[in-house]
Amino acid sequence: DAMVIQNPRYQVTQFGKPVTLSCSQTLNHNVMYWYQQKSSQAPKLLFHYYDKDFNNEADTPDNFQSRRPNTSFCFLDIRSPGLGDTAMYLCATSRRTGGPDTQYFGPGTRLTVL
Amino acid sequence: GENVEQHPSTLSVQEGDSAVIKCTYSDSASNYFPWYKQELGKRPQLIIDIRSNVGEKKDQRIAVTLNKTAKHFSLHITETQPEDSAVYFCAATSNFGNEKLTFGTGTRLTIIP
Repeated sequence: DAMVIQNPRYQVTQFGKPVTLSCSQTLNHNVMYWYQQKSSQAPKLLFHYYDKDFNNEADTPDNFQSRRPNTSFCFLDIRSPGLGDTAMYLCATSRRTGGPDTQYFGPGTRLTVL
Repeated sequence: GENVEQHPSTLSVQEGDSAVIKCTYSDSASNYFPWYKQELGKRPQLIIDIRSNVGEKKDQRIAVTLNKTAKHFSLHITETQPEDSAVYFCAATSNFGNEKLTFGTGTRLTIIP
């Protein structure tokens, strides 16, 4: 019953080597989010899409980029990962209905930067 | 912007007893308050949510109460079981064109058998 799918589940990369994480959803939700979660912390929103409209958080580093080619898929690109980017990356979706709606999270990608 | 405070940061409860986690929010426009449970290495999962037009909501052993005047909301878990051990996050958001959740800092709940 996977509804929000993330690939890969685990990713190890070298310092400075670009990496792309992917998220897909079968819910047909129009909002997709990317969060970064470090150990023992709450998820931190990086950016979100409402349909194709991209909304970046003010404190998201330029190193982080995103693409949403269609309703179902969203990608997180980290152009030059640093050691501090080691974290769990969570994708979430919701359905905008004129008011806040439940966010459904994917299983996450655990990224390790060496 | 919204700010959500969550207490306590850690909580240990004897199996069978009740657990209460409290959150306060700053933005009076916030009108949706979900609670997520996150087990180690897994995704946050919604366990219950409440909207500002109700004061209390219950789902089996889990209940949430909301006090809009005081701007705080609480999670209550009764008859706790070992599988309730996890990190719990509260969150808040409003509907003024804003789909963003503001999370609390989390509570690590440990159920002692």
